[in-house]
Amino acid sequence: DAKTTQPTSMDCAEGRAANLPCNHSTISGNEYVYWYRQIHSQGPQYIIHGLKNNETNEMASLIITEDRKSSTLILPHATLRDTAVYYCIVRVAEGYSTLTFGKGTMLLVSP
Amino acid sequence: DAGVIQSPRHEVTEMGQEVTLRCKPISGHNSLFWYRQTMMRGLELLIYFNNNVPIDDSGMPEDRFSAKMPNASFSTLKIQPSEPRDSAVYFCASSLVTGELFFGEGSRLTVL
Repeated sequence: DAKTTQPTSMDCAEGRAANLPCNHSTISGNEYVYWYRQIHSQGPQYIIHGLKNNETNEMASLIITEDRKSSTLILPHATLRDTAVYYCIVRVAEGYSTLTFGKGTMLLVSP
Repeated sequence: DAGVIQSPRHEVTEMGQEVTLRCKPISGHNSLFWYRQTMMRGLELLIYFNNNVPIDDSGMPEDRFSAKMPNASFSTLKIQPSEPRDSAVYFCASSLVTGELFFGEGSRLTVL
């Protein structure tokens, strides 16, 4: 699986949009971009994933650049409960594949 | 659905003792994963089962670790003998083959 690069930490004010970047310049054509988050002392939680089109669900939006070398996870109105470590992972979506977690981005949402 | 269920949530044991961690995956999921998380190494994949068969156990640290999946609704991770460096949070996750992983709440192991 391709490696990803994320900032170590980010801050966001409550109610504002949180934009978390991820670089995956070596991504292959059959690899998806997945985002997970881990709130302190809990198991990782799936957020969203995409191949090349932008995706949106009830939790977040995922913007993938046209060349697919980077992406941004957007939490449109961050709350204190969104404080967590956010992991960007690229993963082959066919056959047997696993999730390889990096260090992620620690997002701190403040009042 | 109850989600992935792990037990025990916390385990404190002494070096040399056997430790067994248990996992019940989400019903209908055919893939199961065991991960370990420490401050130093982050989240590491230990072993991955598909349809109860181990597919990738390259992350199992050494022979002291073993994992089994006797049926689709139960898996165990055993450490024998345990060592202080095995102290970590152990997560179990399940999924459909190409779907997102659903994680349990983890088992926090402390080996004294």
